[in-house]
Amino acid sequence: DVKVTQSSRYLVKRTGEKVFLECVQDMDHENMFWYRQDPGLGLRLIYFSYDVKMKEKGDIPEGYSVSREKKERFSLILESASTNQTSMYLCASSPLRDVNTEAFFGQGTRLTVV
Amino acid sequence: GQNIDQPTEMTATEGAIVQINCTYQTSGFNGLFWYQQHAGEAPTFLSYNVLDGLEEKGRFSSFLSRSKGYSYLLLKELQMKDSASYLCAVLDSNYQLIWGAGTKLIIKP
Repeated sequence: DVKVTQSSRYLVKRTGEKVFLECVQDMDHENMFWYRQDPGLGLRLIYFSYDVKMKEKGDIPEGYSVSREKKERFSLILESASTNQTSMYLCASSPLRDVNTEAFFGQGTRLTVV
Repeated sequence: GQNIDQPTEMTATEGAIVQINCTYQTSGFNGLFWYQQHAGEAPTFLSYNVLDGLEEKGRFSSFLSRSKGYSYLLLKELQMKDSASYLCAVLDSNYQLIWGAGTKLIIKP
């Protein structure tokens, strides 16, 4: 059974803290993605990676960075958390860069910044 | 800009049929996906259309018209467990997924 695992389901952090969200996939996928999901806005792409140590900005990268040191792991970092980063964060993976196949999602991390 | 439109919310009755529409304006087109997302859970893949026409998969069918920039997801014999959000996403010319905001489907007994 294919799996994308996010390290936490729920997180509460204080404004200004550095926050790490971890994502691990066991499908040997090349592509990995970080999205945030807010009511009425749909999924918005923050960053994605199509290879180890490669990263590309998505639509809303400001305030975030990412790390991909190993193929199976893609980390999202909030350098200094702010209340407007309170959201549901979803990690996804898919095989190869331009193959038209579905993405597999993790369970999501609901982050609250207070 | 790129845009995907879906109704925000729909209500239907158990056992009935419901059609969820999706219209899109994107820079290029390499296929359209439908995902189902139950509250508090991850989205899961339902269907993929790249050619015009209807794709049937059990109780769920998905239709695409590329010339009209239009798709729909048809759910038959509705069950209570079909209560969820349904997300439409288009793969653009750069092979990036552009997502709609999702349609929340409420099933009533």
